[in-house]
Amino acid sequence: KAGVTQTPRYLIKTRGQQVTLSCSPISGHRSVSWYQQTPGQGLQFLFEYFSETQRNKGNFPGRFSGRQFSNSRSEMNVSTLELGDSALYLCASSLGTGAGYTFGSGTRLTVV
Amino acid sequence: AQRVTQPEKLLSVFKGAPVELKCNYSYSGSPELFWYVQYSRQRLQLLLRHISRESIKGFTADLNKGETSFHLKKPFAQEEDSAMYYCALSASFQGAQKLVFGQGTRLTINP
Repeated sequence: KAGVTQTPRYLIKTRGQQVTLSCSPISGHRSVSWYQQTPGQGLQFLFEYFSETQRNKGNFPGRFSGRQFSNSRSEMNVSTLELGDSALYLCASSLGTGAGYTFGSGTRLTVV
Repeated sequence: AQRVTQPEKLLSVFKGAPVELKCNYSYSGSPELFWYVQYSRQRLQLLLRHISRESIKGFTADLNKGETSFHLKKPFAQEEDSAMYYCALSASFQGAQKLVFGQGTRLTINP
């Protein structure tokens, strides 16, 4: 079966712009989470969605937001981009508690 | 607060030698622990979960609640084991879930 698909793979944006990243989970997975990966901070949790509802949010500013659609696909949005937002953004989907998470390849965002 | 600590950023062993990647956690609830692996230029992959007590690619990990540890072990390292390894804790609250990752250990297997 298809894995977790993230688009686009690479993005270059300018400071102050906004960006939208997309994630299609594994079919049947209703939980979708987003993570930011940077060399300095490692992997940090952004938010988790289940059945179109945000269930959990990490310690990120309000510029980071997301949503989930009825087909479980998810998007995350970052507004007013800053240089420090440059990172690999990973999406993960899960069947539920204890099932483990399957990650996508990520979207590498570079802010210049 | 939930926390995962991987004390070694880098670990280098020779092929055929035993490997142990350390992971300690802090969590007030009942922990669900995972090991993820990231090979060069590949996506993060689930290696092990404590709940299934399985052995994958020769790796095992035992949850020690007394020592709050979940160390990853392999008796005989192979060159293809070279990768970045992350220990992660699934923290749940009223159904909401998130993974808390350690900083990772880069394992290098020397020929």
